Amino acid sequence: DAKTTQPTSMDCAEGRAANLPCNHSTISGNEYVYWYRQIHSQGPQYIIHGLKNNETNEMASLIITEDRKSSTLILPHATLRDTAVYYCIVRDSGSARQLTFGSGTQLTVLP
Amino acid sequence: DGGITQSPKYLFRKEGQNVTLSCEQNLNHDAMYWYRQDPGQGLRLIYYSQIVNDFQKGDIAEGYSVSREKKESFPLTVTSAQKNPTAFYLCASTVSPGYEQYFGPGTRLTVT
Repeated sequence: DAKTTQPTSMDCAEGRAANLPCNHSTISGNEYVYWYRQIHSQGPQYIIHGLKNNETNEMASLIITEDRKSSTLILPHATLRDTAVYYCIVRDSGSARQLTFGSGTQLTVLP
Repeated sequence: DGGITQSPKYLFRKEGQNVTLSCEQNLNHDAMYWYRQDPGQGLRLIYYSQIVNDFQKGDIAEGYSVSREKKESFPLTVTSAQKNPTAFYLCASTVSPGYEQYFGPGTRLTVT
C-alpha cells in the first residue's frame, strides 16, 4: 500500500470548514484513498473513501486531485465533537490485509 | 443496533497470566481483524480472519492466539509469551476484505 503524508496537527474554529490535506504521491491506479478518524480512547471510525472522483457523504467530502497524488478531507461545519486524529490511508481495494495507519493529523476544533 | 462489541473496556492482569479479549459483531461481516495500538502510535495488525475456521497472522502475531469458530465471534488470547502486552486492543470487521472496516470500542489491557 502507498505511503501517505499528513500534517501532524491542525486547528479549526467551531462552525468553520476543516480542510485536512494528505499527500500520496506514490499511489497506484487501483488504490483507493480512505479516511478514518479516532477520538481519544475510542475505536477508529470510517469517514469516506474514493478512487478518483470527488465523494460526499453525510459526514464529509473528499476531494482528490486529478493526478491522484493528493487529497483533502473537508468537514464542512466543524464541531467540538470533530476533535480527533484523522488518518488518510491508501490501499488496494482487493487487499485482504490490514489498514496501515500512520500517525495522522490531530484536528482540534476550538470554541 | 448493529455493531461490534468488545468486552471488557478495561482489563487488568498479572504478568504470566493468559487473558482472552472478546470481540462480537452482528453485522454479518465475513472478515474480522485484531489490532494493537500503543500510546501515540498507529494500529498494528495482530491477526485477521476472512472466513470461519480460517485466520492468518498479521505483523505482530507472536505471543497471541485467536480462534474463529463462529462468524460473529473472534476472540483474542494474549499469552504469557507476549513480552509487552499492555496496550489498547481494537477489533474490526468488514463485509468483505478490501471494504471499509468498522471498529469496536476497544479494550485497554494493563499487565503488571
